Amino acid sequence: AQSVTQLDSQVPVFEEAPVELRCNYSSSVSVYLFWYVQYPNQGLQLLLKYLSGSTLVKGINGFEAEFNKSQTSFHLRKPSVHISDTAEYFCAVSRGGKLIFGQGTELSVKP
Amino acid sequence: DGGITQSPKYLFRKEGQNVTLSCEQNLNHDAMYWYRQDPGQGLRLIYYSQIVNDFQKGDIAEGYSVSREKKESFPLTVTSAQKNPTAFYLCASSPRDGGLSYEQYFGPGTRLTVT
Repeated sequence: AQSVTQLDSQVPVFEEAPVELRCNYSSSVSVYLFWYVQYPNQGLQLLLKYLSGSTLVKGINGFEAEFNKSQTSFHLRKPSVHISDTAEYFCAVSRGGKLIFGQGTELSVKP
Repeated sequence: DGGITQSPKYLFRKEGQNVTLSCEQNLNHDAMYWYRQDPGQGLRLIYYSQIVNDFQKGDIAEGYSVSREKKESFPLTVTSAQKNPTAFYLCASSPRDGGLSYEQYFGPGTRLTVT
């Protein structure tokens, strides 16, 4: 069975600092991985996805993620965050036409 | 302007009443999904449909029902049998490629409050 673990429930960071949101998955087969962002009282928006190919994936808003098969990880990074990046971030893995989501990480960017 | 519409944004009901949440998409996607979101619990799948006139239970289907009579519509009914219906409900859709669905596109959500 596939599952997704987001290792931090909350990540506070100062504006312009780098950030990494951690995600580990468990799977015995090829995986498709996603990061979504959710702003308060809104739906989820796709940040980036890994289906195949290059293990470094670039997404919107300056975010990127690296697929690491040996460590079964798909961590999300941004070199310099803005106040507007404050939101909840979800990692997800595809399984049989469905997405399995992690519990979410609240990113709080402080001035 | 393609997308997913959920209405209303906020919904209030008395305990014991059934309520139907609307979800419409004009993306021509085959697959549609309903999720429930509670604080600190991520997203939990209620029902999903890969094709018109067919749907499957997700992880927390008890107390909910759906229909898929049209490709663009996937309404969710929260019945009085659902013990804790107050939550944020999200609808999503997904294109299918070779029979598999990958990324999902989400609507803005409906916040249901039952008192």
